[in-house]
Amino acid sequence: EAGVAQSPRYKIIEKRQSVAFWCNPISGHATLYWYQQILGQGPKLLIQFQNNGVVDDSQLPKDRFSAERLKGVDSTLKIQPAKLEDSAVYLCASSSQLAGGDEQYFGPGTRLTVT
Amino acid sequence: DAKTTQPPSMDCAEGRAANLPCNHSTISGNEYVYWYRQIHSQGPQYIIHGLKNNETNEMASLIITEDRKSSTLILPHATLRDTAVYYCIVRVAQAGVGDSSYKLIFGSGTRLLVRP
Repeated sequence: EAGVAQSPRYKIIEKRQSVAFWCNPISGHATLYWYQQILGQGPKLLIQFQNNGVVDDSQLPKDRFSAERLKGVDSTLKIQPAKLEDSAVYLCASSSQLAGGDEQYFGPGTRLTVT
Repeated sequence: DAKTTQPPSMDCAEGRAANLPCNHSTISGNEYVYWYRQIHSQGPQYIIHGLKNNETNEMASLIITEDRKSSTLILPHATLRDTAVYYCIVRVAQAGVGDSSYKLIFGSGTRLLVRP
């Protein structure tokens, strides 16, 4: 079974530029999550989708972050404009049951550096 | 905020059991305890979860106290590849979303170093 795929693996941008991350969850997984992990901290949930609907985006900085999950499969997370404090690893995860099933499968993450 | 507290770091010798403690004194009766680990430069990996009873799988054992205010993850024979950050998490229900909708709130975890 293929795991959660993310791209790119690394990205370096200057502040005020925009950036987009892509995630392909495990086939058939209805729930998809985006997390932000700042160095030395645990992952923080940014947004949670069930199929193509948003379950929780309470921690998403909506003035600069946006996410979509077209057709309930792939998802993109965008930052525009980026700030220095957005430097982090962005993790995508998916699970098979209704929102918040027992086991979340994580991708390798995208490491973003904002200079 | 995370509902768990863990020691920031621990170490153990290769081949010995690693016992990782976790406090979750405010856990509610229907909230599960989950353990994940994160090896350097990888995404977190699920280990085990439980509600009231002790649980065991091929990776680890989970011991939950009778009052459910704390738990211990046991790696019975730690290897060098078990060096990682271990997260103890209380799975919480999504507010106002209805049935069967939960989320994981990660804390800072315990950095386990397995020594040769």
